[in-house]
Amino acid sequence: GAGVSQSPSNKVTEKGKDVELRCDPISGHTALYWYRQSLGQGLEFLIYFQGNSAPDKSGLPSDRFSAERTGGSVSTLTIQRTQQEDSAVYLCASSLDQGTYEQYFGPGTRLTVT
Amino acid sequence: GQNIDQPTEMTATEGAIVQINCTYQTSGFNGLFWYQQHAGEAPTFLSYNVLDGLEEKGRFSSFLSRSKGYSYLLLKELQMKDSASYLCAVRDPSGNTPLVFGKGTRLSVIA
Repeated sequence: GAGVSQSPSNKVTEKGKDVELRCDPISGHTALYWYRQSLGQGLEFLIYFQGNSAPDKSGLPSDRFSAERTGGSVSTLTIQRTQQEDSAVYLCASSLDQGTYEQYFGPGTRLTVT
Repeated sequence: GQNIDQPTEMTATEGAIVQINCTYQTSGFNGLFWYQQHAGEAPTFLSYNVLDGLEEKGRFSSFLSRSKGYSYLLLKELQMKDSASYLCAVRDPSGNTPLVFGKGTRLSVIA
């Protein structure tokens, strides 16, 4: 079956521009997670959604970052007024629910801010 | 606070056995996970431990000691395709992060 998909796979943008990253979770998975991975660093948790509940935004690095999940499925991570330090691979993962231990990761979006 | 430590890099020989250690300090604990990540690819789930002891799955085994805040991933009969980063992650229900990841151990398997 289809896994987690993300688009675009690569994004190059100029400093100060807004970007939108998309994640399509595995069908039927109610929990969705966004992570950021910078070169040589571990996975940094950003935000997660469980069903239709309000998302836990505690991991977002600044108010320039926001995310939404429409219809309990597709999610969009938006970064406003991008900065060079936002350059990283943004990974999305989903699981059956928040209590399920196995998260399935998408291939990621490599964001480069010039 | 939350802290997970694992070696940055390791090198091992094809056919050998390698042990990748992970130590953690978290306020709470509800499971430890190992993920494999090949360069440029997404992490894939390897193992999950919530009780003390050894979990074996083919060539890979994972061990947990909750009292010591310690885990290891054991890879046997190493193959070249095992060259990847191995990520240790802890679920801490007392924190705001569903999973806290270490920085990963980059394993290079050489002939």
